[in-house]
Amino acid sequence: DAKTTQPNSMESNEEEPVHLPCNHSTISGTDYIHWYRQLPSQGPEYVIHGLTSNVNNRMASLAIAEDRKSSTLILHRATLRDAAVYYCILRGSDTGNQFYFGTGTSLTVIP
Amino acid sequence: GAVVSQHPSRVICKSGTSVKIECRSLDFQATTMFWYRQFPKQSLMLMATSNEGSKATYEQGVEKDKFLINHASLTLSTLTVTSAHPEDSSFYICSAAGQGALYTFGSGTRLTVV
Repeated sequence: DAKTTQPNSMESNEEEPVHLPCNHSTISGTDYIHWYRQLPSQGPEYVIHGLTSNVNNRMASLAIAEDRKSSTLILHRATLRDAAVYYCILRGSDTGNQFYFGTGTSLTVIP
Repeated sequence: GAVVSQHPSRVICKSGTSVKIECRSLDFQATTMFWYRQFPKQSLMLMATSNEGSKATYEQGVEKDKFLINHASLTLSTLTVTSAHPEDSSFYICSAAGQGALYTFGSGTRLTVV
């Protein structure tokens, strides 16, 4: 049921920006794009979400393609605490507003 | 921000016994709660969705008689794993959604059946 595709893993150097891509070519007009991250043995943590426009918050930025078929989560300066599995999830009314998780991207931050 | 409390964080039970996991929304009313299961090195798998006061809706392949879900109030949902067996050992995670509250996840429960 997951409708998103992400790279399995990525690496980044500490204090450098990280761009985590997500493809969602079958997105519908009412689907929101959510990003969560999960540390080992913990529940997922909210990062950011958006519908059409780019979004910024204190944790990250979300860049959404004009056709909405892809998006990119941007961590402006990676820290060791950002090492986690990042999930890009679509939420829409046609799926009962449920979250179906894909495989996510495991981000490694190199000191 | 919204907080979801999940207990216990870890539980070990004997094969054949039942285990109850609680999920509470502490500062918002959770009209909908979700239960997930996660095996090692795998993603979260949605098990069921429950709306307050209604019967839970289970995903295909999830046994409703084995995984009993109760959502009797706007702040509490429980998952009971009945007659647990070693293959039920997993990380169980709840999530809650409500008016004005983003989908918030609990910290998870590590169930080990011996």
